[in-house]
Amino acid sequence: DSGVTQTPKHLITATGQRVTLRCSPRSGDLSVYWYQQSLDQGLQFLIQYYNGEERAKGNILERFSAQQFPDLHSELNLSSLELGDSALYFCASSVGPAGGQNTGELFFGEGSRLTVL
Amino acid sequence: AQRVTQPEKLLSVFKGAPVELKCNYSYSGSPELFWYVQYSRQRLQLLLRHISRESIKGFTADLNKGETSFHLKKPFAQEEDSAMYYCALMSGNMLTFGGGTRLMVKP
Repeated sequence: DSGVTQTPKHLITATGQRVTLRCSPRSGDLSVYWYQQSLDQGLQFLIQYYNGEERAKGNILERFSAQQFPDLHSELNLSSLELGDSALYFCASSVGPAGGQNTGELFFGEGSRLTVL
Repeated sequence: AQRVTQPEKLLSVFKGAPVELKCNYSYSGSPELFWYVQYSRQRLQLLLRHISRESIKGFTADLNKGETSFHLKKPFAQEEDSAMYYCALMSGNMLTFGGGTRLMVKP
């Protein structure tokens, strides 16, 4: 499967802990996006990377950080976790023409469901 | 700042009835708008984009700049249209999504 893959699919942890979510984009895609979907909320944009560089930042908390590696996979690090961080975290990728501009067509992974107890 | 609003969280219609999923946006520039759909047990995927002026699976959406709306329409709903629909606006490198509307098409 050459689609966007996210691991882990499910994660349960305690408040105060730190977790790392991993995303592998579609083959050939250079842009990676992270979204958070909490209960009763839509998809909240967190951050975008293009070819290893940060390109756009949304409402990402300071406790959260991300990076994109030379092989183009990305990791989202969530630290000092709070109950309110429980959510579905989606990764998406896009081809992105030169310059990393978003063409609007994102290919989504299945998400990582994080539960903070 | 850009904002996308989908006023209905749930829309329930009978098979064969017309469907209109509402989407309103606020954006100071020239908007690029999209509809994404998530069917049960499938990934979120692009349905259509306003710039293409296309009809996909019988759905169309017209950008109305005066009313700042981009409603999704289908004249005759089918049961397989039941899904979660998200309106999205692109600005720079950000794709901002609305809260989504769950469409249920009853037999």
